[in-house]
Amino acid sequence: QKEVEQDPGPLSVPEGAIVSLNCTYSNSAFQYFMWYRQYSRKGPELLMYTYSSGNKEDGRFTAQVDKSSKYISLFIRDSQPSDSATYLCAVHGSSNTGKLIFGQGTTLQVKP
Amino acid sequence: GAGVSQSPSNKVTEKGKDVELRCDPISGHTALYWYRQSLGQGLEFLIYFQGNSAPDKSGLPSDRFSAERTGGSVSTLTIQRTQQEDSAVYLCASTGDRGQPQHFGDGTRLSIL
Repeated sequence: QKEVEQDPGPLSVPEGAIVSLNCTYSNSAFQYFMWYRQYSRKGPELLMYTYSSGNKEDGRFTAQVDKSSKYISLFIRDSQPSDSATYLCAVHGSSNTGKLIFGQGTTLQVKP
Repeated sequence: GAGVSQSPSNKVTEKGKDVELRCDPISGHTALYWYRQSLGQGLEFLIYFQGNSAPDKSGLPSDRFSAERTGGSVSTLTIQRTQQEDSAVYLCASTGDRGQPQHFGDGTRLSIL
């Protein structure tokens, strides 16, 4: 079993839809949670960074962490074609080194 | 520059050759990470540097892989006697503190013929 599980999709939605992306993790010791967006042939770009359970909002993006269920989510409101990318969830795999453990990534396509 | 810079952006080489990949982190970032992204395996940690020291090398897949960092800045990842399974995108990330978000470069796309 992978330490971070993420459905690879692909996920296709019409422009303006609300998108929900999800990951589960196995180790309750994980404390920091991130969402990255990766466009084709580019490096991952940090979208959201959270520590505690609850919601964090930034513009059209909301990150949600439920530590009791070991479940993390990213919601995108009013999705745009420019949101078409691969979305990667990540956790800090070690508090000593800060190395990240990533989910497989979900490919999202927003159709005009 | 303002971001993490990696070179070359693309590298094609023959099986058995050695390759060197370079990473210039964000100025002042003391922590530097190398990851590998391949189809089917996703994005995997290779090695972590704090300053010029590498306290965590646990992700290096074999002794053909090595990395160094000099002056607390530039890092080089070296792959000796390359194999076809080494084909992947090699990503570098840096941060000012290991507890803070990591910022990635655009990677080096390595193809082994």
